[in-house]
Amino acid sequence: SQQGEEDPQALSIQEGENATMNCSYKTSINNLQWYRQNSGRGLVHLILIRSNEREKHSGRLRVTLDTSKKSSSLLITASRAADTASYFCATDETGTASKLTFGTGTRLQVTL
Amino acid sequence: GAVVSQHPSWVICKSGTSVKIECRSLDFQATTMFWYRQFPKQSLMLMATSNEGSKATYEQGVEKDKFLINHASLTLSTLTVTSAHPEDSSFYICSARPRRGHEQYFGPGTRLTVT
Repeated sequence: SQQGEEDPQALSIQEGENATMNCSYKTSINNLQWYRQNSGRGLVHLILIRSNEREKHSGRLRVTLDTSKKSSSLLITASRAADTASYFCATDETGTASKLTFGTGTRLQVTL
Repeated sequence: GAVVSQHPSWVICKSGTSVKIECRSLDFQATTMFWYRQFPKQSLMLMATSNEGSKATYEQGVEKDKFLINHASLTLSTLTVTSAHPEDSSFYICSARPRRGHEQYFGPGTRLTVT
């Protein structure tokens, strides 16, 4: 399996703090995407960063991509209890007709 | 935004029976749909890629005769779990990709429990 690795596996922070999760992958990619999943629910697309981009922002989210290191990070600033969820990176690998390979995920718990 | 629905949202069936799960793109045409399986506290694993009007492409280790996929129209793909066993109990999620663009839009998932 070419599944990507995410770390940490679990992260617990207090409301207002920043949360950073990292993703590493193994192949060349067209883009990398981050998704959020609440327990037992479907996935919500958060942000897509293309292989020629290095950083992207969306609201409280900041994503970086380092293709030389085959890694990406997702930063959630000023976290809220409602941010509690699992977060997955997914890579759209070149030559795979847009198949996504998901990382192992980070479970984020934001406490009041 | 693009909406993908799945039906049913959950199903309980007896071992040996077959279960059909539907995945619909509600407001766009999806040339490609993907089926994933997710075990508790694990990531999504791609099972197969479904292209409208052609046979599905299955990932290594996924039995095509057990997991039948039909993509009969640009808005509907179905996954049928045949002769279900308890080990098939899982969360099944579909996604759909529009004609243009790289993004996939995910359905809410179907929880299958085989007793």
